Amino acid sequence: DSGVTQTPKHLITATGQRVTLRCSPRSGDLSVYWYQQSLDQGLQFLIQYYNGEERAKGNILERFSAQQFPDLHSELNLSSLELGDSALYFCASSVELAGERSEQFFGPGTRLTVL
Amino acid sequence: QQQVKQSPQSLIVQKGGISIINCAYENTAFDYFPWYQQFPGKGPALLIAIRPDVSEKKEGRFTISFNKSAKQFSLHIMDSQPGDSATYFCAASPNAGGTSYGKLTFGQGTILTVHP
Repeated sequence: DSGVTQTPKHLITATGQRVTLRCSPRSGDLSVYWYQQSLDQGLQFLIQYYNGEERAKGNILERFSAQQFPDLHSELNLSSLELGDSALYFCASSVELAGERSEQFFGPGTRLTVL
Repeated sequence: QQQVKQSPQSLIVQKGGISIINCAYENTAFDYFPWYQQFPGKGPALLIAIRPDVSEKKEGRFTISFNKSAKQFSLHIMDSQPGDSATYFCAASPNAGGTSYGKLTFGQGTILTVHP
């Protein structure tokens, strides 16, 4: 168990809908990363937040957005869903004190199925 | 330039054998190279990582070899066990200070099967 929790575990929804994925980082970790894992694209970095502020952006679609709240949990919002958005979505957290790179611990993921 | 290329896609090894997975990168800004292990239904977990100032790092049965001039690195699993059967990902991340600090770029993954 990495200490990173993600809810829900599974999500089935229809095209055009909007969903919210939630992540609670490990206690003390300030940084949260979101990754998408699909069969054709592999594991791809979406976005990173550090202590409430957006730090880096990857291949994140405009239909997707994220935020990190004062209690450091994070939410990934996916809207106008398409079939191709079906994937595993992972959240990872790391402590990153004083700008030092530290290990990213991954949560168990949320499996999103868009029908 | 952000890609990390991983091979082979799948690998079958007998128990006790050596498993070797290779990765290559192009972005010279990468300076941290971790390997992750992922079991079905779980998130990736860090196995071992290396920085380019060393050519080899060993932790138990797992060794990373790093060739900076060739921009290649590999994972060697010695005495492979059935419990090592999993998907392995190499990854790379750029040096600290840039806006993409901490962002991991992953290889496509290698499905390792170790037969008893």
